[in-house]
Amino acid sequence: DVKVTQSSRYLVKRTGEKVFLECVQDMDHENMFWYRQDPGLGLRLIYFSYDVKMKEKGDIPEGYSVSREKKERFSLILESASTNQTSMYLCASSLLITSSGNTIYFGEGSWLTVV
Amino acid sequence: QKEVEQNSGPLSVPEGAIASLNCTYSDRGSQSFFWYRQYSGKSPELIMSIYSNGDKEDGRFTAQLNKASQYVSLLIRDSQPSDSATYLCAVNNRGSQGNLIFGKGTKLSVKP
Repeated sequence: DVKVTQSSRYLVKRTGEKVFLECVQDMDHENMFWYRQDPGLGLRLIYFSYDVKMKEKGDIPEGYSVSREKKERFSLILESASTNQTSMYLCASSLLITSSGNTIYFGEGSWLTVV
Repeated sequence: QKEVEQNSGPLSVPEGAIASLNCTYSDRGSQSFFWYRQYSGKSPELIMSIYSNGDKEDGRFTAQLNKASQYVSLLIRDSQPSDSATYLCAVNNRGSQGNLIFGKGTKLSVKP
């Protein structure tokens, strides 16, 4: 089974803090993703990466950065957390694909509250 | 802007009935289609994928694809209360390597 592990499940941070969300996958997938999910807005892609040290902006990259130093690990960084970043964050991974698509597997999610 | 549209629901069906979930997409060239189930407070999990026109069956689940109409559906036969969840439709995002476009989901409630 594919395993995508998000180490921090529930976090409470103060406005202005730097926040790191870590994600590790064990299936040697090339692609990794960070989404956030909010009621009524669905899943929104923040960043994705298709190779080590490579990253691509998604739909809502503002206020976030990412790091992929190793193939299995993809980190999401909130440089200065704000209350509007309170959300559930989902990490995901998939095999490298062509434009025809491939299955994305999700981690369990990280619930972040910024106060 | 490529879009995937779903009726937000809630869709309520009695136990044992067939639940029909529908999805339309805007990119005519899309090639891969996925249905995910998401329980409240949990992450999405893959139910089925479909790539060719027609039906694909897996247990109580049947995915149907009609590329000409840009329409994909999920049928759940013999619905159970444990099927109560939000169902997300996803379509491959051509031109964006590895990415899927997700609908906002349809909430299904199966009443005992």
